Amino acid sequence: DAGITQSPRHKVTETGTPVTLRCHQTENHRYMYWYRQDPGHGLRLIHYSYGVKDTDKGEVSDGYSVSRSKTEDFLLTLESATSSQTSVYFCAISEGQGQQTQYFGPGTRLLVL
Amino acid sequence: GESVGLHLPTLSVQEGDNSIINCAYSNSASDYFIWYKQESGKGPQFIIDIRSNMDKRQGQRVTVLLNKTVKHLSLQIAATQPGDSAVYFCAENNDYKLSFGAGTTVTVRA
Repeated sequence: DAGITQSPRHKVTETGTPVTLRCHQTENHRYMYWYRQDPGHGLRLIHYSYGVKDTDKGEVSDGYSVSRSKTEDFLLTLESATSSQTSVYFCAISEGQGQQTQYFGPGTRLLVL
Repeated sequence: GESVGLHLPTLSVQEGDNSIINCAYSNSASDYFIWYKQESGKGPQFIIDIRSNMDKRQGQRVTVLLNKTVKHLSLQIAATQPGDSAVYFCAENNDYKLSFGAGTTVTVRA
């Protein structure tokens, strides 16, 4: 998984509780991404980061926030989890944008009851 | 809707045969394409990529073909093995973002 770890790998939480997922990379890549994967939808971009403290929204960013205080860590926070946020979340990294391969982490399976 | 799609959601192939997985894209401005493989419970794994100034690229047992005229991408796997059973995604890059199709599930029959 290209030097990418995600934690936790599995989480069950209740509606209305805050949840933070962590992505850690050892590749020193500038770009980091958070995706969610749901049946029938493929991978959809939530947020991405193009450097420390530099982030931007993806196509499904509502209900999510991110932070990047260090090159190696990218955090995804669900401020108040909802059942619609039950999904598998993947972190990805790339050296640059444009014609650059994105490498994915192992994923976090989140269940919101 | 999604700009990237795969022609068939499932593909069953006999072990040892060649597999062909197809993908259609709609954005003629896309300049970079990637094929990923995803095994159950794991993250997508990079297989091979191709830039829009190429029409063919070969890797180990895999070949990607790009036909920009009809906006079609295909992944060919030679001598398919049981370990090739997985979901395969194509992704296209446009405006610095990757868009993914829903995937084709490949099942290898012994």
